[in-house]
Amino acid sequence: GAVVSQHPSWVICKSGTSVKIECRSLDFQATTMFWYRQFPKQSLMLMATSNEGSKATYEQGVEKDKFLINHASLTLSTLTVTSAHPEDSSFYICNPGTVSYTFGSGTRLTVV
Amino acid sequence: TQLLEQSPQFLSIQEGENLTVYCNSSSVFSSLQWYRQEPGEGPVLLVTVVTGGEVKKLKRLTFQFGDARKDSSLHITAAQPGDTGLYLCAGVGGNTGKLIFGQGTTLQVKP
Repeated sequence: GAVVSQHPSWVICKSGTSVKIECRSLDFQATTMFWYRQFPKQSLMLMATSNEGSKATYEQGVEKDKFLINHASLTLSTLTVTSAHPEDSSFYICNPGTVSYTFGSGTRLTVV
Repeated sequence: TQLLEQSPQFLSIQEGENLTVYCNSSSVFSSLQWYRQEPGEGPVLLVTVVTGGEVKKLKRLTFQFGDARKDSSLHITAAQPGDTGLYLCAGVGGNTGKLIFGQGTTLQVKP
């Protein structure tokens, strides 16, 4: 149980375009979803927390207008990287927190 | 602010050697998790420790939670090349459920 499905696994996009990453809880309901970012050979850094039916909360230094988070239902949370730039290239991972310590499989974003 | 200091950050050893990874904090955590991550994949949960002084074993891996629930260690006996990966400790921060991660330990086990 407690499976988190994350899509896409990898994406390459051009600078200035937007990319949407989805995290779905397949066999449980997630009122909260944590979004992390990870650079090569580094640890996970929390970016923001999405809450079903309310606004997301962002960690200090994370631009909320750039990283749009939507938690439209108890089984789907999305992170949209808007106007992507090469420095946004990273590994993005979601996790539903105390409901389950299972992580999504991650999304490798490369902005060219 | 709760922080987790993980050490060492890099470790390269020969097959068969033992190793210990440490995770320390000045804050108390209600629970602490250890994860292993392969390149290009999400972290996979190895164990959760909850009780101060708790010791859990997973085959050749031994996890310990400090009595005061401020620190934890991961000990690997007779390391194998398949143990190579990034090991992460993480504590549950406050009552929000979010995980606070240590810096990670990149382990390389050479055959």
